[in-house]
Amino acid sequence: SQTIHQWPATLVQPVGSPLSLECTVEGTSNPNLYWYRQAAGRGLQLLFYSVGIGQISSEVPQNLSASRPQDRQFILSSKKLLLSDSGFYLCAWRRRSPHEAFFGQGTRLTVV
Amino acid sequence: AQTVTQSQPEMSVQEAETVTLSCTYDTSESDYYLFWYKQPPSRQMILVIRQEAYKQQNATENRFSVNFQKAAKSFSLKISDSQLGDAAMYFCAYRSATGAGGGADGLTFGKGTHLIIQP
Repeated sequence: SQTIHQWPATLVQPVGSPLSLECTVEGTSNPNLYWYRQAAGRGLQLLFYSVGIGQISSEVPQNLSASRPQDRQFILSSKKLLLSDSGFYLCAWRRRSPHEAFFGQGTRLTVV
Repeated sequence: AQTVTQSQPEMSVQEAETVTLSCTYDTSESDYYLFWYKQPPSRQMILVIRQEAYKQQNATENRFSVNFQKAAKSFSLKISDSQLGDAAMYFCAYRSATGAGGGADGLTFGKGTHLIIQP
């Protein structure tokens, strides 16, 4: 069966520090991968998605970037965190059919 | 761009009763998918039910069923025999079937409905 791992679960970082959140998927190949952010009391906002190694699409201009160095690995990064980057970040993967997405456990990021 | 609206920020229901959560969406596409996700306090997003727009029959998963009205662009979730474990945030989500256009490959979410189950 397929599983998705996301870490760390919780992170407190000072303003201006770098960020690296990692997500890996097991049990499938060539999945579509996604990074979402959930601000307090709001729904999820799509940040990035990837349909293959090295292929990244960004949905909103921001202080973050994403990379996909391997087929089942998706990384969310920042060179210098802002207070506004605080939130709950979720990685997800989707198989081609059926079309639902499966989510990781999420990372609660607090920028102080 | 597609939008998803959940007009009920919070709903409360007695245990064992039935509750319906509302969702409307706006799209110009004819082929798409709709989902309901549950987010309990652990914040893990769990798929509850899926509906393909080309299917007229409403999807059902055990105690969960949807009322899909394509012309009205409405997609409500009915939970029967509510249980304490159903307490969570519920999100309605849309995904284009064509993958056309930027962002169409991902899910567009509503802002969620907080469901409270009263014992």
